[in-house]
Amino acid sequence: DAMVIQNPRYQVTQFGKPVTLSCSQTLNHNVMYWYQQKSSQAPKLLFHYYDKDFNNEADTPDNFQSRRPNTSFCFLDIRSPGLGDAAMYLCALRDRVENIQYFGAGTRLSVL
Amino acid sequence: AQSVTQPDIHITVSEGASLELRCNYSYGATPYLFWYVQSPGQGLQLLLKYFSGDTLVQGIKGFEAEFKRSQSSFNLRIPSVHWSDAAEYFCAVGAKTGANNLFFGTGTRLTVIP
Repeated sequence: DAMVIQNPRYQVTQFGKPVTLSCSQTLNHNVMYWYQQKSSQAPKLLFHYYDKDFNNEADTPDNFQSRRPNTSFCFLDIRSPGLGDAAMYLCALRDRVENIQYFGAGTRLSVL
Repeated sequence: AQSVTQPDIHITVSEGASLELRCNYSYGATPYLFWYVQSPGQGLQLLLKYFSGDTLVQGIKGFEAEFKRSQSSFNLRIPSVHWSDAAEYFCAVGAKTGANNLFFGTGTRLTVIP
């Protein structure tokens, strides 16, 4: 059974139109991550939550925001998507004790 | 600064061949090391990890990797490649404590010839 559930799997949006990607978990792990992965590149960390504490990577554009209303859910908001934001967005989670990140299947975002 | 280097961008092998995927890292502290695999359009699946102890670690599907501190390497070995092993392989390094942010290499794409 999937532990990290990302919805939708594919998202198409228009240039400048806000979009929200969703991630949920069934394990109650306290650390959640959002990565951006462009074609043929390594995943790049955007930010993470350690419980409710939000940690933004220094080079993450302000266009990217995140919300974590509870332990189970985490959202990635792109306020004004540009063509360069087309990518696979991966959510991951990690338990406090076990230092392993588990990834979801990802959401592929297209920007028209 | 933390970094992971995977020098082989793309490797093509015949089914049944053995294979070693290279990974070198630079990390300021004692690292946690990982290999993940990604099939097209999918997320990352953990193959194996090294935290401490025996430097030869076994993972799923018969894969294994060896940590060599003196060479700052964590190479992945596939004893006998199967067509289903065709995918992108990522090496990653993280910290033992804190949020354990992972730093990924750029990946090695494996193509398998029947």
